[in-house]
Amino acid sequence: AQTVTQSQPEMSVQEAETVTLSCTYDTSESNYYLFWYKQPPSRQMILVIRQEAYKQQNATENRFSVNFQKAAKSFSLKISDSQLGDTAMYFCAFFPYGQNFVFGPGTRLSVLP
Amino acid sequence: EAGVVQSPRYKIIEKKQPVAFWCNPISGHNTLYWYRQNLGQGPELLIRYENEEAVDDSQLPKDRFSAERLKGVDSTLKIQPAELGDSAVYLCASTTSGSPLDEQYFGPGTRLTVT
Repeated sequence: AQTVTQSQPEMSVQEAETVTLSCTYDTSESNYYLFWYKQPPSRQMILVIRQEAYKQQNATENRFSVNFQKAAKSFSLKISDSQLGDTAMYFCAFFPYGQNFVFGPGTRLSVLP
Repeated sequence: EAGVVQSPRYKIIEKKQPVAFWCNPISGHNTLYWYRQNLGQGPELLIRYENEEAVDDSQLPKDRFSAERLKGVDSTLKIQPAELGDSAVYLCASTTSGSPLDEQYFGPGTRLTVT
């Protein structure tokens, strides 16, 4: 079975600082995609960033970047210059090509003023 | 453009009662997903549609759950009869196709409470 693990149930960070959320996954697949989704309180889940496993270069989207370590099956999310609006649940997700999304249990991030 | 629409947003029912959730995906999105999200957990796929065809329903508890997507547009998920363990948020999502290169858009969800 393919699984996604997020070992940090909750984290907090001061506004303007940097925080890193951890994610590991277990698979025997070689072709897959990895995602980070954000679910703000009482709002819809939205895509933060996506990484294709065959790409060695780490994806970046403005203040969000990932550290993808394929051999270690690790996919962490770094949020720079944290803002109050970054407060949300963050879900790591894994998509083996031709299959379906598998989501992790989530990390609740609180950005403190 | 409207996003993924779900209704109702909240539903409270007694166990053994039936319940139905409705989802209208983004116009032009051929792929539709139903997920269940238990409290404090990530979404778990229940069923995936490509147009009107259910291409993956392996995680759908077929003894009490059913779904349909007539005409390949909006979709309904039904539970009959509901059990206490069905309390969760039911999320609908859609994409242009089933490719992970297409962004998946989620609806606001229906929060079901079974008493």
